Amino acid sequence: DTGVSQNPRHKITKRGQNVTFRCDPISEHNRLYWYRQTLGQGPEFLTYFQNEAQLEKSRLLSDRFSAERPKGSFSTLEIQRTEQGDSAMYLCASSGLGSKNTEAFFGQGTRLTVV
Amino acid sequence: LAKTTQPISMDSYEGQEVNITCSHNNIATNDYITWYQQFPSQGPRFIIQGYKTKVTNEVASLFIPADRKSSTLSLPRVSLSDTAVYYCLVGVTGGFKTIFGAGTRLFVKA
Repeated sequence: DTGVSQNPRHKITKRGQNVTFRCDPISEHNRLYWYRQTLGQGPEFLTYFQNEAQLEKSRLLSDRFSAERPKGSFSTLEIQRTEQGDSAMYLCASSGLGSKNTEAFFGQGTRLTVV
Repeated sequence: LAKTTQPISMDSYEGQEVNITCSHNNIATNDYITWYQQFPSQGPRFIIQGYKTKVTNEVASLFIPADRKSSTLSLPRVSLSDTAVYYCLVGVTGGFKTIFGAGTRLFVKA
């Protein structure tokens, strides 16, 4: 297994367009997380899945954001009607049932630029 | 969720030992302390995790006093490639709503 994989690595989109990012977690991991990171800041939690169930959502996740993990494997994060403030790095992480509290494995991220 | 406080930045020279201390006064009984490293344009990478006393792995050591209200990440003999941002996190059992602060930017000079 090569770790957590995120696609695309970079995305440039015009304001108002919809974008979708994909995350493939480590295969045996049942927990999956999405974070957003802006320049100079630490990652901010967006949402968390255990298998296919979305168990937590941050207040940062406005109604323009939706995340799915339909079969408990890969996940998608969609942003509708993008705004310039959505420009950020979107990080995905996964962990397994046996992992301690905060031992998560991160992907390389998808850098979104809204112009 | 326990909040963490750590220095914004630190400078060091190659070959020196670097100690980064993190305060987490409101740590809960079930919380673990975890440190991540992040290079530019990459996702954070797990370094070390502990609950109490001392933990050591091939990369770093983690010192946690008895009251667990702080922790110190120790990087022995740093090199230029250790220049990165280091995050201290305190976990929430079962929740995994990991809260990252701004981290400590370590700059290692030749």
